[in-house]
Amino acid sequence: DGGITQSPKYLFRKEGQNVTLSCEQNLNHDAMYWYRQDPGQGLRLIYYSQIVNDFQKGDIAEGYSVSREKKESFPLTVTSAQKNPTAFFLCASSIGGPNQPQHFGDGTRLSIL
Amino acid sequence: GQQLNQSPQSMFIQEGEDVSMNCTSSSIFNTWLWYKQDPGEGPVLLIALYKAGELTSNGRLTAQFGITRKDSFLNISASIPSDVGIYFCAGQLQGGSEKLVFGKGTKLTVNP
Repeated sequence: DGGITQSPKYLFRKEGQNVTLSCEQNLNHDAMYWYRQDPGQGLRLIYYSQIVNDFQKGDIAEGYSVSREKKESFPLTVTSAQKNPTAFFLCASSIGGPNQPQHFGDGTRLSIL
Repeated sequence: GQQLNQSPQSMFIQEGEDVSMNCTSSSIFNTWLWYKQDPGEGPVLLIALYKAGELTSNGRLTAQFGITRKDSFLNISASIPSDVGIYFCAGQLQGGSEKLVFGKGTKLTVNP
């Protein structure tokens, strides 16, 4: 089945530790996105990539890094500079271009030990 | 960043009742999307709207793209317990990139 797969579902990190969240899609979508969701908040864009080997900062990029070496994969690294504790991270993809809806994975919940 | 005002923030209804929620903005949008999110899961696309005035249905769900292009509403008719969840509106700004602006969500509770 085509879709977006995020892993792991739950992730724990110690303070000062970098962790990487995986996002893979087999929809042949050009564009991929990372969002952070906090309770009672809408989704906030961290980074997005419209094409392989290119990505742009979103609204809350500080403390995060990404890469887009393959069309199917858009991993997100949460660095030790990111101080906020538990959050829910969502990856999405779209065909690309305007007026194309984004489709989401099932998310990764990151907690601080 | 841009803001979408989504209301109400939460709703508590009885099974069988109809539900209405909306999103408004001071900015003009080219696309309106409505998503539903279950706890611990990712949002699922319900309805996509692309033209001002467009009215689209998906089963018991109906959504409209406002004539001014600054608002959209979602109606759910004859609610059932599995309608429980958080509903998000999202829009793509006129002249903007393909980035989405999200509302803060409407949490729906349906009492059997």
